[in-house]
Amino acid sequence: AQSVTQPDIHITVSEGASLELRCNYSYGATPYLFWYVQSPGQGLQLLLKYFSGDTLVQGIKGFEAEFKRSQSSFNLRKPSVHWSDAAEYFCAVGLLQGAQKLVFGQGTRLTINP
Amino acid sequence: DAGITQSPRHKVTETGTPVTLRCHQTENHRYMYWYRQDPGHGLRLIHYSYGVKDTDKGEVSDGYSVSRSKTEDFLLTLESATSSQTSVYFCAIGRTSGSYEQYFGPGTRLTVT
Repeated sequence: AQSVTQPDIHITVSEGASLELRCNYSYGATPYLFWYVQSPGQGLQLLLKYFSGDTLVQGIKGFEAEFKRSQSSFNLRKPSVHWSDAAEYFCAVGLLQGAQKLVFGQGTRLTINP
Repeated sequence: DAGITQSPRHKVTETGTPVTLRCHQTENHRYMYWYRQDPGHGLRLIHYSYGVKDTDKGEVSDGYSVSRSKTEDFLLTLESATSSQTSVYFCAIGRTSGSYEQYFGPGTRLTVT
């Protein structure tokens, strides 16, 4: 069955430090890939997406993600985090068979130390 | 802003009572989804719709039903609420066939006592 794994439940980084959040998927073909962010008490906001082409994609708020087919990964990165980046981050996979649905990972909660 | 509203935003109800949550969109998109969010589980799909009166089950559909009689409204009903249905419920819309992008509403926090 298709699945999405975010290995880190909680990550803490210092403000100004670099960030990488991991996402691995299990799927027979290259799926559509997404990262969403959820601030406390809010809905989910789309950060970026990968459909095809250039494997390094740029998103909003200074985030980028790199698709690596050989590792079935789609890791999210930011060179320098800001206190406002504290949130929960979700990786999602679009299933290309059947209905137009997404499967989400369990989420990674990001805490920023001042 | 994807023009999605959810009502109510918060609800406390008793076990065994029926509950209906409403999702309303202003942009006439074809696809609509209901998810529940629980700690450690991310978002799990309850039901989805791919058009008026066209709905299907997601991975956690037991105890839930949906209806979509108009393009703009997608209703989620808990026929007899249980404590295990205490959760935050999110509605989402899919704007374009084939793009898979989804845009989310603000959520409804439901507590079943």
